[in-house]
Amino acid sequence: GQQVMQIPQYQHVQEGEDFTTYCNSSTTLSNIQWYKQRPGGHPVFLIQLVKSGEVKKQKRLTFQFGEAKKNSSLHITATQTTDVGTYFCAGPRNNAGNMLTFGGGTRLMVKP
Amino acid sequence: DADVTQTPRNRITKTGKRIMLECSQTKGHDRMYWYRQDPGLGLQLIYYSFDVKDINKGEISDGYSVSRQAQAKFSLSLESAIPNQTALYFCATSGLTGEGSYNEQFFGPGTRLTVL
Repeated sequence: GQQVMQIPQYQHVQEGEDFTTYCNSSTTLSNIQWYKQRPGGHPVFLIQLVKSGEVKKQKRLTFQFGEAKKNSSLHITATQTTDVGTYFCAGPRNNAGNMLTFGGGTRLMVKP
Repeated sequence: DADVTQTPRNRITKTGKRIMLECSQTKGHDRMYWYRQDPGLGLQLIYYSFDVKDINKGEISDGYSVSRQAQAKFSLSLESAIPNQTALYFCATSGLTGEGSYNEQFFGPGTRLTVL
């Protein structure tokens, strides 16, 4: 079945350092979504990418969708303590509507 | 998201007990989902419903059942709880966008369930 994998599972950074999490799908995706879950919180939608090679930015966050639409990345420039949390990517389950398959998440910890 | 509520927020129960987790939403969405979250395993889909009376199994439905009593309510039941069902449970909703597609999912605050 469809698998969505994320690396790394954990990442410790010093405040001000950059951070990147990578997402890889076993199948081609029609789109990919990214969610953030703060410690003790629930997943909150960040963004959706649809086009091959698409790049979108939200302040210090840069999201990229691969040319083959099987991988994606989230890059945070100059991390802050407010960036702490787990970042999940999610792709449509077998490209069926918006049934989502979530990656295992990357937990980001930022040392002040 | 305050538009999606879950009760209870925390529950400790014993093996063999029947447990019901409730989810309500005021977003007017037709699609609702139940997920289970275990550390390092992301979110696994238990059941989903596209409308009242529509129930579909997700990837880990064994040991669980659901009921979609109304468009705004979707409840999850553990018929006979066992310790490996100890996890964080999330309800989520999604609705049609202006372009006629379903995009983001909105999650409730979660229920932390411990089965002893």
